[in-house]
This record gives sequence, structure tokens and C-alpha cells, in this order.
Amino acid sequence: DAEITQSPRHKITETGRQVTLACHQTWNHNNMFWYRQDLGHGLRLIHYSYGVQDTNKGEVSDGYSVSRSNTEDLPLTLESAASSQTSVYFCASSESGTSDGTDTQYFGPGTRLTVL
Amino acid sequence: GQQVMQIPQYQHVQEGEDFTTYCNSSTTLSNIQWYKQRPGGHPVFLIQLVKSGEVKKQKRLTFQFGEAKKNSSLHITATQTTDVGTYFCAGDSLWQAGTALIFGKGTTLSVSS
Repeated sequence: DAEITQSPRHKITETGRQVTLACHQTWNHNNMFWYRQDLGHGLRLIHYSYGVQDTNKGEVSDGYSVSRSNTEDLPLTLESAASSQTSVYFCASSESGTSDGTDTQYFGPGTRLTVL
Repeated sequence: GQQVMQIPQYQHVQEGEDFTTYCNSSTTLSNIQWYKQRPGGHPVFLIQLVKSGEVKKQKRLTFQFGEAKKNSSLHITATQTTDVGTYFCAGDSLWQAGTALIFGKGTTLSVSS
């Protein structure tokens, strides 16, 4: 069955370190998204991609970067981790056409990141 | 910028009571989606509403999309402990490049038996 996976599921790192969170989907979806979830803030969009080589900034993109070299993967990199980036990170994908990310989104299980 | 607001933020009910969460957008939406997230889990798609005034039902859950397509509601009849979780609405938003969903902050439902 098609699925979307994230790794690692839990990560503890130190301030200033570079961290990469992996997201892999086998739906063959064009669109992929990264969100962070914090108490009281709901889901906030970090970066999104409508296809290979396409990446775009979301609401809270500062300190994060993504790259899309193939359909299946959208890794999220924290260039220099900060304590404010302690959060639960969700990756999602949707099928839609280009420049339209409003189809049903399928979420991965999440990565809990702690920055000390 | 565009906002999607949900109320209430938290709701506690006794099992068997009804529950309603409301979602309001600052702009007209082309569609609205609802997701449920169980404690410790990830958001899972429930339904999408597209038409003005649309009403859809899933067993004990009733979803409505307002006539102006700026608000929506989710009503659960006779709640059960399995309904516990956070319910999010999400509407389309025009971002810097194309459109994407913007999520409300969610309503967290707790149910006591």
C-alpha cells in the first residue's frame, strides 16, 4: 500500500547543529508539504513543493530549507538548530496539479524534535 | 494575511452530549476540509466541502459549509470516547506560489464517560 513515512520519529539535538528530517511518500504525489505543530498554534506551513525542483516558502520558513530532487522525497533541513525549533514536524502530500495544493493531504506520522 | 479561526479551542463533554466546532475564514474559500488528529497521532482527512451551503454527514458527524463560503461547522451527535482528539478545518489560501491549505488552530475535544 502507498504510504508516507518520516524519519527519525524522535530526535534530540543541540543548538547550532544542522539537522535533516526525512519525508518519503510512495503515493507518487506531486505536492509535498512540511508543517510544524506547537501547542496553541495548530499546524503552520514551513515549506512546500508542487513538483521536482520546485520549492516555496510557507508561513514560518526562516531557519529551514528544503530540496526536491525526486517525486518521492522532500527532506527538511534546519541549518542551525535553535531551541525555538523544538516542535513536532509533519510532512504531508497531495495529488493535485501544479500550483494547487488544496487537494486532500495525507500526513506522515510526525517527527518530534527537541533542541537543547 | 488570510486567517482561518476556530472556536472553541477546547471543549469537554460528557459522553452522549453533542459537540460543535466552528471555523471562520477572513476570505471566501473555494473549499474547506476537515481533519481529525487523535492524541499522539497525525491529522487524518475527514471530508471536503465545496459548494455554498453544502451539508454532508458521516454517521454521527455533520459538516456544513456556509452560504458565503467563509465559515463551516462540524457537529457531532451523541459523542463517544472514540471522538476524542483535535479537529482542524483547513481552507485554501493563495500563497506566494500557487495555493495551499491554511489550517485553523483546531478544537480539542475531550469526552468523559
